[in-house]
Amino acid sequence: EVQLVQSGGGLVKPGGSLRLSCAASGFSFSTYSMNWFRQAPGKGLDWVSSITWTGDNVYYADSLRGRFTNSRDNAKNSLYLQMNSLRAEDTAIYYCARLINGYQDYWGQGTLVTVSS
Amino acid sequence: EIVLTQSPGTLSLSPGERVTLSCRASQSVSSSYLAWYQQKPGQAPRLLIHAASTRATGIPDRFSGSGSGTDFTLTISRLEPEDFAVYYCQQYGNSPRYSFGQGTKLEI
Repeated sequence: EVQLVQSGGGLVKPGGSLRLSCAASGFSFSTYSMNWFRQAPGKGLDWVSSITWTGDNVYYADSLRGRFTNSRDNAKNSLYLQMNSLRAEDTAIYYCARLINGYQDYWGQGTLVTVSS
Repeated sequence: EIVLTQSPGTLSLSPGERVTLSCRASQSVSSSYLAWYQQKPGQAPRLLIHAASTRATGIPDRFSGSGSGTDFTLTISRLEPEDFAVYYCQQYGNSPRYSFGQGTKLEI
């Protein structure tokens, strides 16, 4: 069974940092590209970042480039999102998702990030 | 950036009814790279349809997708109580510049 289990969310002050993790199981993680999305409270879905299966190519939403770093450790079947210089508008539920043929077929359960003083 | 506009924003319906949701793109979606997701409160999105009309594994056949170019639809032939949720369309033809519609909420 494909599973993506997320961890690492929480409350952080503006300007602070947080690292999200996404642990994959039930499939060959190293052969799939992965995505991060987020959803602000009561809002729709926004793409955050994509990383290819090797980790060689990483893409970010324009508004996030330079503050967020998407990475993976295929030996640990894990995906990470390092978030720095966090702002109130980064408050959202963050989801990791498996990418197949351009779309997402499996999603993590989501983790809430709250940026507030 | 491809902007997706879903309509209507909210629909009030009853179990057993048929419903068609619309998703319109600001420019043509290449190769019909459009997906539909269902999201219930407190849950992650669930893939329903990809490539505009291909049902994902395990999705009941009451769900169907159609369309091409800039106009796409999701039809639920007969609403079940568990179908009341928010539905999002997503284009992935311009990946990794993914974009979603704003969602259509189905309520009882």
